[in-house]
Amino acid sequence: QSALTQPPSASGSPGQSVTISCTGTSSDVGYYNYVSWYQQHPGKAPKLMIYAVTERPSGVPDRFSGSKSGNTASLTVSGLQAEDEADYYCSSYAGSYNLVFGGGTKLTVL
Amino acid sequence: QLQLQESGPGLVKPSETLSLTCTVSGGSISSSGYYWGWIRQPPGKGLEWIGSIYYTGNTFYNPSLKSRVTISVDTSKIQFSLKLTSVTAADTAVYYCARRDGSGSSLDYWGQGTLVTVSS
Repeated sequence: QSALTQPPSASGSPGQSVTISCTGTSSDVGYYNYVSWYQQHPGKAPKLMIYAVTERPSGVPDRFSGSKSGNTASLTVSGLQAEDEADYYCSSYAGSYNLVFGGGTKLTVL
Repeated sequence: QLQLQESGPGLVKPSETLSLTCTVSGGSISSSGYYWGWIRQPPGKGLEWIGSIYYTGNTFYNPSLKSRVTISVDTSKIQFSLKLTSVTAADTAVYYCARRDGSGSSLDYWGQGTLVTVSS
């Protein structure tokens, strides 16, 4: 199983929207609706932001949304705020109980 | 509120075995539909899934690490453990334990992580 592909960096100004992509294959992202997104601040554990492609856990602001088209999933952060600056990782179920992560995207709020 | 806490040596010598334990509090490790797993993150790099275990003892490992990994569970102690054999410097990482939702494979609760350095 190969890692999912994410852009290394993304940026936006406060109030703007930014979208981070996560590209896999027809064996993981494209086949299963089990894509998750995690936010990680420096020195902290990852935090679940989106699961099952589009679902938000309780307590996650609705500024965060997820989608998927074919083999590519996306995380959109609307109304960017300073505290959104962090690393973001996608993951996907890849069959046979395997889980695969993306390489991570560093989001900078300008 | 469910909490997970990793514990174990922070320094392991090359070729030896890395051993970590995750203690679960505020909930049951025998909850139906949830798996318990390990994820690691080398310094400055991304996340890598190591493996998961169900409370019944069924285990599932990353194929790239399968030959060196053993995950076990002790429901009486509400703990699960990781053993990684024949470690090298490439195994230096922050190791996280986490709860995995069996229906969607999301990792919804994480420990704070523990840095394990492989060095002589």
